[in-house]
Amino acid sequence: GNSVTQMEGPVTLSEEAFLTINCTYTATGYPSLFWYVQYPGEGLQLLLKATKADDKGSNKGFEATYRKETTSFHLEKGSVQVSDSAVYFCALSEGQGAQKLVFGQGTRLTINP
Amino acid sequence: DTGVSQDPRHKITKRGQNVTFRCDPISEHNRLYWYRQTLGQGPEFLTYFQNEAQLEKSRLLSDRFSAERPKGSFSTLEIQRTEQGDSAMYLCAAWSGGEQYFGPGTRLTVT
Repeated sequence: GNSVTQMEGPVTLSEEAFLTINCTYTATGYPSLFWYVQYPGEGLQLLLKATKADDKGSNKGFEATYRKETTSFHLEKGSVQVSDSAVYFCALSEGQGAQKLVFGQGTRLTINP
Repeated sequence: DTGVSQDPRHKITKRGQNVTFRCDPISEHNRLYWYRQTLGQGPEFLTYFQNEAQLEKSRLLSDRFSAERPKGSFSTLEIQRTEQGDSAMYLCAAWSGGEQYFGPGTRLTVT
């Protein structure tokens, strides 16, 4: 079945560092890809998405590009802030009708001032 | 605010008891999903509704679990004869415009 594999955490960086969180997927067909973020004490929020190959999703300084040839959707940010500390989940949607989400295990990111 | 509310936010119950959770999306969301998230893991799909019809159930949804969406608006998830392994966060999500919007979740602790 479809699956998502994320870079294991936790990840700890200093403020203004460059961030990459790796995500690769296995899927039949052409799923949409997502990054969700879960801030401490809050629910899951959609961070960005891409619906087809070579699409780039971006939001709040974060970017990810849908790479079909490498089945990847790595999350990047050029300069992280303390407020970016959260758990990040990569996900794909499967099922023509259902569009249910398959999530990776999550990567906990901590940014130190 | 994602427009999806869940109640209760926390539930502590003893093993063997029944529990029911409620999810309220705003009225325009015709697809509604339930997921379960255990500590340190990503959410896992349980079931989904298109309006009032339950169209798919995961193998994770044992016979002790039942979900309903009687009028195509709010949904309930019931767990009968709870077990300690049911302890998790139960998330509801509503689909709109190609995206799923998640509620804050109900954290269940079975003692």
